Amino acid sequence: DGGITQSPKYLFRKEGQNVTLSCEQNLNHDAMYWYRQDPGQGLRLIYYSQIVNDFQKGDIAEGYSVSREKKESFPLTVTSAQKNPTAFYLCASTLSSIYGYTFGSGTRLTVV
Amino acid sequence: QQQVKQSPQSLIVQKGGISIINCAYENTAFDYFPWYQQFPGKGPALLIAIRPDVSEKKEGRFTISFNKSAKQFSLHIMDSQPGDSATYFCAARGAGGGNKLTFGTGTQLKVEL
Repeated sequence: DGGITQSPKYLFRKEGQNVTLSCEQNLNHDAMYWYRQDPGQGLRLIYYSQIVNDFQKGDIAEGYSVSREKKESFPLTVTSAQKNPTAFYLCASTLSSIYGYTFGSGTRLTVV
Repeated sequence: QQQVKQSPQSLIVQKGGISIINCAYENTAFDYFPWYQQFPGKGPALLIAIRPDVSEKKEGRFTISFNKSAKQFSLHIMDSQPGDSATYFCAARGAGGGNKLTFGTGTQLKVEL
């Protein structure tokens, strides 16, 4: 079955460490997105990519980095510069502007 | 300009009742308005969507009402069921490219027996 796979589901890291969240899709979607979800704040866009080797900052890109070396993959690195990294991270993809997003199941990152 | 305001934050409805969630926006360039349903520990799933040239769209028990002049849209869940208990997000797509969605803050719906 086609879909988006995020791994791991839960991630614990010590403060000051960089951590990379995986997002893989087999839907042949061109565009991919990373959102952060915090209680009471909805989903906020971190980065997005419309084609391979190209990506743009979203509303809250500070402290995060991404790469898009393959169409299927869009990993997100949470760096030590992110001041409040504990959150639920969601990856999404879409085929084109006439379709909605398909979301992964998310990664819950806890920094201690 | 890019905000989407959603209310209420939480909602309790009796089984069989109507659940109503409201959203308002400022940016008239938004051109697509989806609603997403999210269960705990899962990613959101597209529920229903509408374009601004349509005033209402119905899919089963779910209806979007859209008021372009008031810049408001709402989700109505008819005959609400306990299985509808979830968090609902409205969203709006900007016309500036990238197919980016701006999401509301979410409504936690609980349907009681």
